[in-house]
Amino acid sequence: GAVVSQHPSRVICKSGTSVKIECRSLDFQATTMFWYRQFPKQSLMLMATSNEGSKATYEQGVEKDKFLINHASLTLSTLTVTSAHPEDSSFYICSARVPSEAGELFFGEGSRLTVL
Amino acid sequence: AQSVTQPDIHITVSEGASLELRCNYSYGATPYLFWYVQSPGQGLQLLLKYFSGDTLVQGIKGFEAEFKRSQSSFNLRKPSVHWSDAAEYFCAVGAAYGNKLVFGAGTILRVKS
Repeated sequence: GAVVSQHPSRVICKSGTSVKIECRSLDFQATTMFWYRQFPKQSLMLMATSNEGSKATYEQGVEKDKFLINHASLTLSTLTVTSAHPEDSSFYICSARVPSEAGELFFGEGSRLTVL
Repeated sequence: AQSVTQPDIHITVSEGASLELRCNYSYGATPYLFWYVQSPGQGLQLLLKYFSGDTLVQGIKGFEAEFKRSQSSFNLRKPSVHWSDAAEYFCAVGAAYGNKLVFGAGTILRVKS
């Protein structure tokens, strides 16, 4: 199946700094990627839909100035958590749509962010 | 509003026993339904999906799910559980394949030997 890779898998940063998480589709081109956030022992909550070449569409309640999403190419979307705070600590997962008839979504391995 | 309910937070079964994980959904249109499995610290792997056709869907790793429109349910089953099935399972609903998904809270499966 298609492969979606996230980097880094784990990152620890100090409060007030910015962190960038990359999501790559390794063997297919993804015009659309989705970013989810998973709190400990909870489900995945959709943060935003990332569209190649255009602005991301954010879900209600998600601060777009805090969670910057860039989808500059057909194989790469980035999520930047700006001025991170401890409450931003979470597991961030991206998924990418495979452009076939099935249009199946493949998920990355996730990135665990810890803000000290 | 779209929602997915997984009523069981934890389930423990003995290895070799059968398994059923419950999923109920609320959706305004014909739903696309999915089951994903997540191992600790990992991403999600698709087990199976359903939109139309036969209401009993076969997936990977010996899993199957049955869509019951009258009950708004899409329960996941496996006849004989293996220790490697221990993981967290998420039911999800979407408007189409490849569209954004709404996930249930997940069910953590523990397998005892």
